Amino acid sequence: SYELTQPLSVSVALGQTASISCGGHNIGYKNVHWYQQRAGQAPVLVIYRDDNRPRGVPERFSASNSGNAATLTISGAQAEDEADYFCQVWDSRAAVVFGGGTKLTVL
Amino acid sequence: QVPLVESGGGVVQPGRSLRLSCAASGFTFSSFVMHWVRQAPGKGLQWVALISDDGGTTYYADALGGRFTISRDNSQNTVYLQMDSLRPEDTAVYFCARGNVLVENNWFDPWGQGTRVTVSS
Repeated sequence: SYELTQPLSVSVALGQTASISCGGHNIGYKNVHWYQQRAGQAPVLVIYRDDNRPRGVPERFSASNSGNAATLTISGAQAEDEADYFCQVWDSRAAVVFGGGTKLTVL
Repeated sequence: QVPLVESGGGVVQPGRSLRLSCAASGFTFSSFVMHWVRQAPGKGLQWVALISDDGGTTYYADALGGRFTISRDNSQNTVYLQMDSLRPEDTAVYFCARGNVLVENNWFDPWGQGTRVTVSS
């Protein structure tokens, strides 16, 4: 079955840039979506179809997807960005696949 | 107005059944694929099932072993998850989420607040 690999944790200093990777075989041929989940809350979509930001998501959130890795980038990380982040793809066999999640800590 | 509101969670003994509901509002429910996603305590997200806009197509996570059934009532703007033969490992918060118009290549937006299911004797 298709698997997505994320780092367990990433730390970033306040105002600096954080990058969260999502690895998968030829993931560049798939559309990748990203979710933010703050503690005790439901997930929220922050990026869809590789690099599209839903209305209301700050411009500091961006993403890319190529080869065997997709990346979510938060430019100028804020305290409120501290959360878990999950990548997700559609797979023809498994339907929906989530990455294991990355805990982002803003120092 | 909260777009998706789940209900029906609770504490249930192993082997018993439970039915979750998710009431939708604020959008044309009958036009969208709907999903259930769960999250075990301290764990990541696990997709559970999807149902097409007209209810004619359903997909399930292989790991469920055929114990869960997703359905919808477009006249009531509600999607359901019937969970049978529950196991302790089904303990999780269950979220419903709106997908897209087509079954393939879905992403989830918005999500409900979740309903907690605890399977324990």
